[in-house]
Amino acid sequence: AQSVSQHNHHVILSEAASLELGCNYSYGGTVNLFWYVQYPGQHLQLLLKYFSGDPLVKGIKGFEAEFIKSKFSFNLRKPSVQWSDTAEYFCAVKGSNTGKLIFGQGTTLQVKP
Amino acid sequence: EAQVTQNPRYLITVTGKKLTVTCSQNMNHEYMSWYRQDPGLGLRQIYYSMNVEVTDKGDVPEGYKVSRKEKRNFPLILESPSPNQTSLYFCASSLHGRANNEQFFGPGTRLTVL
Repeated sequence: AQSVSQHNHHVILSEAASLELGCNYSYGGTVNLFWYVQYPGQHLQLLLKYFSGDPLVKGIKGFEAEFIKSKFSFNLRKPSVQWSDTAEYFCAVKGSNTGKLIFGQGTTLQVKP
Repeated sequence: EAQVTQNPRYLITVTGKKLTVTCSQNMNHEYMSWYRQDPGLGLRQIYYSMNVEVTDKGDVPEGYKVSRKEKRNFPLILESPSPNQTSLYFCASSLHGRANNEQFFGPGTRLTVL
């Protein structure tokens, strides 16, 4: 079955700490991978995406993610978080020839000033 | 301004009273989709539409209907709402469905069914 799993449900960090949020997926075939962010009270916004090519992708606000095909993973990283990064983060996978987008359960990140 | 709009933003209703949540996009996107967001479950796709008059079920279509009579609009219909449909609903659109396009999300509709 197609699925996305985010291992961390709630992460609490201090400002300037490094961040890594795990994402693993189960999907047969070629995939497109996304990380979306939802700031409190706002709608989802795209952080970054992977379609092909360099498996290390850079997104907005200093975020990056690495696609490791052999591990079916697409972990999100940021070297130094800020209080303004407090939000909920969603990993999502989409088959390259389908309209279905499958989201993970989400990870709530709380950054303490 | 390019955007996805939803109405209403907040709705409280009672079991069995038919309702429609509207979604409209002004970006000439072919693809539109509806999701519901529930704590601990993330976003789950209800229905999607690859183009006008083409709709397909997502992962949780039961209890919902959609229509795509024109490109810009994709209303979500709950014929007989039940309390388990209390949720936060998001509409999204992208240029094409199968291609590698980013989805743009609306602001959300918080629905409570009593």
